[in-house]
Amino acid sequence: EADIYQTPRYLVIGTGKKITLECSQTMGHDKMYWYQQDPGMELHLIHYSYGVNSTEKGDLSSESTVSRIRTEHFPLTLESARPSHTSQYLCASSVRGGDIQYFGAGTRLSVL
Amino acid sequence: GIQVEQSPPDLILQEGANSTLRCNFSDSVNNLQWFHQNPWGQLINLFYIPSGTKQNGRLSATTVATERYSLLYISSSQTTDSGVYFCAVNRGSTLGRLYFGRGTQLTVWP
Repeated sequence: EADIYQTPRYLVIGTGKKITLECSQTMGHDKMYWYQQDPGMELHLIHYSYGVNSTEKGDLSSESTVSRIRTEHFPLTLESARPSHTSQYLCASSVRGGDIQYFGAGTRLSVL
Repeated sequence: GIQVEQSPPDLILQEGANSTLRCNFSDSVNNLQWFHQNPWGQLINLFYIPSGTKQNGRLSATTVATERYSLLYISSSQTTDSGVYFCAVNRGSTLGRLYFGRGTQLTVWP
C-alpha cells in the first residue's frame, strides 16, 4: 500500500476556528487531490494539484483553500470553520502519467 | 462529468456466501478502480482494472469497457469484508481525477 499520511485523524472544533488538515506523501507523486465525503455518500473532488505551485478547485464548491509549496505536502485550510464543514476529508496522490490513486486514512472533522 | 451507478446499494450476507457487486458508467474510461472503505473511513485499493479480469485471493473483478460496466466478485465472504465498496472512474485526462459511485454497503454476519 502507498505511503500517504493525513493528520489529524479526528478533529472536533468550535465554529469560527481556523484549521489546517495535513497531507503528506513520500512517493514523489506529482498529482495530489482532496476529496470530501459526507456520511453514506460518494466522494467529491474539492481541490487538486499537478505539482509545486499548482492548485485548482474541483467540482464541489468548497470554502477551503490549499497550497503546494513542496511536492510531498498538500495541506488544506479552513479560515473559519462552520457546522456545514462537518465531513470526512480524504487526500490522494498519483504519479504523473499514471492512473492509480492512493488514499490516505482521512480526517473526520466535526464543527460544533 | 461521468455518471457512476453502483448496485445493489446494500447487501447483507451470511459468512461464507458469495456476492457480485456491479458498477455502470456513462462514458468511455481509461481508469477504473475498486476500493474498500473500512469502518474507520480509510479507502483501500482493491483493483486497478480499466479492462479485463483480475483476481486477488477471494476477490476478483471484471471490466467490460465496451459495455461500460465492471463487476466485483467476493467469494466465501468473511466478517472482515464488511464495509463500503466504491467504484471510481476517470477518462484518462492529465488531471486523472476520479468520479465515484455511491458505493455498496456490505454487511457480513457470522
